[in-house]
Amino acid sequence: GAVVSQHPSRVICKSGTSVKIECRSLDFQATTMFWYRQFPKQSLMLMATSNEGSKATYEQGVEKDKFLINHASLTLSTLTVTSAHPEDSSFYICSAMGRVNGELFFGEGSRLTVL
Amino acid sequence: KQEVTQIPAALSVPEGENLVLNCSFTDSAIYNLQWFRQDPGKGLTSLLLIQSSQREQTSGRLNASLDKSSGRSTLYIAASQPGDSATYLCAVTAGGGNKLTFGTGTQLKVEL
Repeated sequence: GAVVSQHPSRVICKSGTSVKIECRSLDFQATTMFWYRQFPKQSLMLMATSNEGSKATYEQGVEKDKFLINHASLTLSTLTVTSAHPEDSSFYICSAMGRVNGELFFGEGSRLTVL
Repeated sequence: KQEVTQIPAALSVPEGENLVLNCSFTDSAIYNLQWFRQDPGKGLTSLLLIQSSQREQTSGRLNASLDKSSGRSTLYIAASQPGDSATYLCAVTAGGGNKLTFGTGTQLKVEL
């Protein structure tokens, strides 16, 4: 099946720094990618929809200046958490839409811990 | 606003049992429904995808059904194994075919 890779899988940073997470579709092109956030023992919450070559669409309540999304190519989307704070600590997961049946393929997730 | 609920929230069964996980959604205007598996600290693995026009999909020991009119889906796991222990999530895609709305998940534990 299609493969989506996320990097890094774990990152620890100091409060106030920025962290970039990459999401790559390895064997297919994805014009649309999605970023989710998951708190412990909770389900995934969609943060934003990333469209190649255009601005991301953010869900209500998600700060676009806080969570910068760039989808510069058909295989790469990045999420940058700017000026991170401890409350940003979470599990971030990306997904990419395949071209067959609209199936979504997910990355392995990135665990962010802000100290 | 679409809401997706999964019952039960947690389930513990002995190895070998057949089991059913339930998923319900409030807006029947869906494009498709997917069942996923998530292991602790990991991403999601797609198990089955059912298009809105389909009633069921099967893969190995897994069978998923969809009753769009009543807003329900079930995931049937036959002859459960300890390796099936994980959290199972269902998610529906809206009519536009893009955004997924996830259910609350069922945490399954299959014991030896």
